[in-house]
Amino acid sequence: DTAVSQTPKYLVTQMGNDKSIKCEQNLGHDTMYWYKQDSKKFLKIMFSYNNKELIINETVPNRFSPKSPDKAHLNLHINSLELGDSAVYFCASSQNPGQGVNGYTFGSGTRLTVV
Amino acid sequence: GDSVTQMEGPVTLSEEAFLTINCTYTATGYPSLFWYVQYPGEGLQLLLKATKADDKGSNKGFEATYRKETTSFHLEKGSVQVSDSAVYFCALSDPWDSWGKLQFGAGTQVVVTP
Repeated sequence: DTAVSQTPKYLVTQMGNDKSIKCEQNLGHDTMYWYKQDSKKFLKIMFSYNNKELIINETVPNRFSPKSPDKAHLNLHINSLELGDSAVYFCASSQNPGQGVNGYTFGSGTRLTVV
Repeated sequence: GDSVTQMEGPVTLSEEAFLTINCTYTATGYPSLFWYVQYPGEGLQLLLKATKADDKGSNKGFEATYRKETTSFHLEKGSVQVSDSAVYFCALSDPWDSWGKLQFGAGTQVVVTP
């Protein structure tokens, strides 16, 4: 049973389109995250939600909008896609955000290609 | 701000060789330290962790010791296998950051040849 699942796994779309990536965790964790991994494998946090409340919002274009309908789900909607948005997007969750001692559980990623 | 620096890759070595990946950090307080591994086409998996100075994390033959005096958390394995080929990420979580945000290093690709 997958702990953190993302859909779709691959997404190819044209510039200017709007797309969404979905994430669900069945671990009972309170906190969820979106990370972006670029072509050089560098990981950068984008957003984090704790019990449906936005707690981390890094410098990300406002074309990116996260949405958390409940603490088990964190979706990412991207408007007006650009070539530079091509990357792998990872969802993650954690139980103890206050100390971070347990680390995160990551999903398998969504490879977004904008053409 | 907090940061993690790890050695650049790729690191290429033969099966059964000794592996070391250097990682140093900068943090305000006393962070928890982690190593994550990413196999080709997969997400990140927690490999090991240490939450206080002098702690040693270990898993699957890999080890790393939290060295506060040198602000380091170097990853080692005595005898690597082809299946260890992956990208390895050092990361920290700073307790002064109440939300436990994980800060990653740039990743080090390891290639093990038969």
